[in-house]
Amino acid sequence: RKEVEQDPGPFNVPEGATVAFNCTYSNSASQSFFWYRQDCRKEPKLLMSVYSSGNEDGRFTAQLNRASQYISLLIRDSKLSDSATYLCVVNINNQGGKLIFGQGTELSVKP
Amino acid sequence: EPEVTQTPSHQVTQMGQEVILRCVPISNHLYFYWYRQILGQKVEFLVSFYNNEISEKSEIFDDQFSVERPDGSNFTLKIRSTKLEDSAMYFCASSEELGVTEAFFGQGTRLTVV
Repeated sequence: RKEVEQDPGPFNVPEGATVAFNCTYSNSASQSFFWYRQDCRKEPKLLMSVYSSGNEDGRFTAQLNRASQYISLLIRDSKLSDSATYLCVVNINNQGGKLIFGQGTELSVKP
Repeated sequence: EPEVTQTPSHQVTQMGQEVILRCVPISNHLYFYWYRQILGQKVEFLVSFYNNEISEKSEIFDDQFSVERPDGSNFTLKIRSTKLEDSAMYFCASSEELGVTEAFFGQGTRLTVV
């Protein structure tokens, strides 16, 4: 089983659509959870951390279910500029700060 | 805004040659990392570094790889004898705390081994 697994994508949506990404992780000792965004051939950039109670940042909402080892990201009212690959990332604190990345889900928002 | 900087942005090298990839982490950060991403694949952890020693390394980080913080600002990744399969984007990252807070990534060095 992959350590972090995401929807394979790509997701092609019109502007204004709501899109949801799913992610599961295999290590129950995982402590910290993040969504990163990666534009083509660029570095990953943090989109948001994911907290147990769920959290929202503008049009973006992240949820965590520790029992199911499941993380989600919801993007509302999608913009052309949201087009990117979304990376689900997990950290197990007792492993030197190592971040474990999912393979990413590509999103393409069309006019 | 503080940022992680990497040089060079692109390096082409012949198989068997040594390469050194350079990074300047954010100045008040204490934890440093190298990751790599082979084209079309996921980002993979190579090594983490804290207090002048390796904290954790992956299976990829074999004897051909080494890291060093030669002075107060630079953090380097050396590949002693490059192989074709070392061709990838190499990202340096740094963070204030171990794993809990954001890791900031540099823009990457694209290594091409020919």
